[in-house]
Amino acid sequence: GEDVEQSLFLSVREGDSSVINCTYTDSSSTYLYWYKQEPGAGLQLLTYIFSNMDMKQDQRLTVLLNKKDKHLSLRIADTQTGDSAIYFCAESSGGGADGLTFGKGTHLIIQP
Amino acid sequence: EAGVVQSPRYKIIEKKQPVAFWCNPISGHNTLYWYRQNLGQGPELLIRYENEEAVDDSQLPKDRFSAERLKGVDSTLKIQPAELGDSAVYLCASSFSASFNEQFFGPGTRLTVL
Repeated sequence: GEDVEQSLFLSVREGDSSVINCTYTDSSSTYLYWYKQEPGAGLQLLTYIFSNMDMKQDQRLTVLLNKKDKHLSLRIADTQTGDSAIYFCAESSGGGADGLTFGKGTHLIIQP
Repeated sequence: EAGVVQSPRYKIIEKKQPVAFWCNPISGHNTLYWYRQNLGQGPELLIRYENEEAVDDSQLPKDRFSAERLKGVDSTLKIQPAELGDSAVYLCASSFSASFNEQFFGPGTRLTVL
């Protein structure tokens, strides 16, 4: 079945850029997503990218997609303490309303 | 606009007991999902509804889990009997079916089975 892999932890200094990486196996993925989960809160969609794009920028967030290598990354510029959370990469291979396949999540730790 | 509502937020039961979780999706969202998130893992899809029809329940352990969405709005997920390994957070999400699938998640129900 589909698989999504992420590193478990990333530690960065406040003000630096954070880059969270993800690899996936399903070559038929149509959309790839980044979700954020803060303690005690639900998953919040941060951004997404369609599989025919290779980059998407949204304020401090930049998503890069290398479809050939099945590699997705999320860059957060000027990382702040409020960015501390777990970040999940997810993919859907069907159109419309298919369920998502999530990675295990990357804990982003911000050092002062 | 209200988000996805789930109740209860926390539930502690003994093994072999039944338990039920309730979800109210965002108004107008015809697609509803139940996911299970084990500790240290990402959510895993259990079942997906399109209106009142379960269109993907391939990952639902049917020997002990059941779900319903009778009027195509609220949904209930039930476990009977619960086992120790069912301890997890049960997440409900909803979306308005379209070409882009933005799923909105509720806060989840944290189940502890003793």
